Amino acid sequence: QVQLVQSGADVKKPGASVRVSCKASGYMFITYTLHWMRQAPGQRLEWMGWINPGNGNTKYSQKFQGRITMTRHTSASTVYMDLSSLRSEDTAVYYCARDGIADSWHEDWFDSWGQGTLVTVSS
Amino acid sequence: DIVLTQTPATLSLSPGERATLSCRASQSVSSYLAWYQQKPGQAPRLLIYDTSNRATGIPARFSGSGSGTDFTLTISSLEPEDFAVYFCQQRSIFGGGTKVEI
Repeated sequence: QVQLVQSGADVKKPGASVRVSCKASGYMFITYTLHWMRQAPGQRLEWMGWINPGNGNTKYSQKFQGRITMTRHTSASTVYMDLSSLRSEDTAVYYCARDGIADSWHEDWFDSWGQGTLVTVSS
Repeated sequence: DIVLTQTPATLSLSPGERATLSCRASQSVSSYLAWYQQKPGQAPRLLIYDTSNRATGIPARFSGSGSGTDFTLTISSLEPEDFAVYFCQQRSIFGGGTKVEI
């Protein structure tokens, strides 16, 4: 079955960067776009961007442009999300999720989710 | 930008009752509207995609409908495990959620 397993919780100081990984299994890795979302305490889910694991193409939410980078390691079936210049407002649970349509270039729906990674930004 | 507004914020019901959750878009959207269930400490789970299609393994008591700006998730008869938060999603936008509580 499809499984997305994320890296563990992390604590960062303001101004630092964080990397969250998401390892996929149970399907052909390069076929489905992977998205990153986050959920801050008491807030609605927020879409951050996607990466096409097949060719490495990315699309980022304008809100995070300049601070976010998504990459992939195809042979390891893993994608990474780097967020820099962290501030307290970035404290959230970060999720990777698979797009529901193969070979999509859009945000369709998200049919499988990682377990979430809590990133805490605190001095 | 499109805004998705979910009502009510909280729905207090008993097992066996029918739940009707609303998701209203600030402008007409395509049919690619999805619904998710989230329980405390867990990742969201896809219930409905493309307005009315149940995701794999989702029981028939969950159904979705709507078009244009108004969409509905219906749970025909609540089971104990259905008490959770539900939210809608269209493209990169998520609704604020409805908590279904006992």
